Amino acid sequence: GQNIDQPTEMTATEGAIVQINCTYQTSGFNGLFWYQQHAGEAPTFLSYNVLDGLEEKGRFSSFLSRSKGYSYLLLKELQMKDSASYLCAVLTDSWGKLQFGAGTQVVVTP
Amino acid sequence: SQTIHQWPATLVQPVGSPLSLECTVEGTSNPNLYWYRQAAGRGLQLLFYSVGIGQISSEVPQNLSASRPQDRQFILSSKKLLLSDSGFYLCAWEGLQGEGGYTFGSGTRLTVV
Repeated sequence: GQNIDQPTEMTATEGAIVQINCTYQTSGFNGLFWYQQHAGEAPTFLSYNVLDGLEEKGRFSSFLSRSKGYSYLLLKELQMKDSASYLCAVLTDSWGKLQFGAGTQVVVTP
Repeated sequence: SQTIHQWPATLVQPVGSPLSLECTVEGTSNPNLYWYRQAAGRGLQLLFYSVGIGQISSEVPQNLSASRPQDRQFILSSKKLLLSDSGFYLCAWEGLQGEGGYTFGSGTRLTVV
């Protein structure tokens, strides 16, 4: 079966840094995605990792270790608008079947 | 540019009534299309995917069905809704890997009463 685990909720202060961890055990691996989802809205793409290492995109960075089945999303200089659910998703087939974790609700406080 | 449209945005239906949710994609041809459901506080569950007209694969057994009558149209249906069918339904189009993965429609909030 597919198993993708991430914490349920994290709280951080505006301007701080938060790291959301994701561990996975899946039947196949062709890449890992992070999505942001605000309440009542569709998920939007944040990052994609297929090789080990760190990918940086502005305030957001994502890391992957395939040997450990582990990824994290790093959010820097937190802003109130970053309060949302962050979804870790693994591409288990070469052509596009994404399996999602349950999401991590990040709450940013003033 | 590619866009994905999904409707309706919200729906309240009684138990036992039928369902039809529609998704259309513009600006691309022969897309891979997906239907996901998100129950309250849960992750996205893949329901159906389609790699072409008339080609439907089901991920989980349930009383829902999907059809793809045209290249850029994907429909989710049910003959008789159950309370457990309530949730947030999302249609997705598979974009270029590494450039965004899925592009999601705006979603349909279905409440079965």
